[in-house]
Amino acid sequence: EVQLVETGGGLIQPGGSLRLSCTASGFTVSSNYMNWVRQAPGKGLEWVSVIYAGGNTFYADSVKGRFTISRDNSKNTLYLQMNSLRAEDTAMYYCAREIRDAYNELLGHSWGQGTLVTVSS
Amino acid sequence: DIQLTQSPSFLSASVGDRVTITCRASQGIRSSLAWYQQTTGKAPELLIYTASTLQSGVPSRFRGSGSGTEFTLTISSLQPEDFATYYCQQLNSYPLTFGGGTKVEIK
Repeated sequence: EVQLVETGGGLIQPGGSLRLSCTASGFTVSSNYMNWVRQAPGKGLEWVSVIYAGGNTFYADSVKGRFTISRDNSKNTLYLQMNSLRAEDTAMYYCAREIRDAYNELLGHSWGQGTLVTVSS
Repeated sequence: DIQLTQSPSFLSASVGDRVTITCRASQGIRSSLAWYQQTTGKAPELLIYTASTLQSGVPSRFRGSGSGTEFTLTISSLQPEDFATYYCQQLNSYPLTFGGGTKVEIK
């Protein structure tokens, strides 16, 4: 069974750092395109970052230069290192695996249950 | 960035009603659109991909259509478990973007 479990969320002061983890089972993280998507309380969904199977990474402008996506192949785990956190980064953070067809066309995502990050003094 | 405008943002409907949600893209995205359902406290779940293909296990009362810049999600006969928030997502190019959501509530 394919499963994604996010951990690492919590309460952090503005300017602080936090690292989120997403442990996968049932598939290999390094062979897939993996994303982070966030949702502020009561708000809509915002794409944050992606790491390609080949290792390329991309970020939303709102987090570029502050967040870093990475993975540990030996642990089959995806990470999101978040630095210089701001109040507006408060959100549920979801790890999401890209679903692609045989032609590598992106079809959608399957999601973990999320981990809540609260940035507040 | 490609903007997605979803409408309405809220709708009130009864069990058995036919419901239609619209998603408009700021530029053409072919059929690279997905629809998700999110219930309170849960992660989004994929309903439809490539604008009109039902994800495995999704009831046939859900139907997606459209291409280019105009897309619709139709629920032919609303069931109690369908009261949720629905999001469209464009998959044509990064940054991937979502519509603002449509909350479907019980009348």
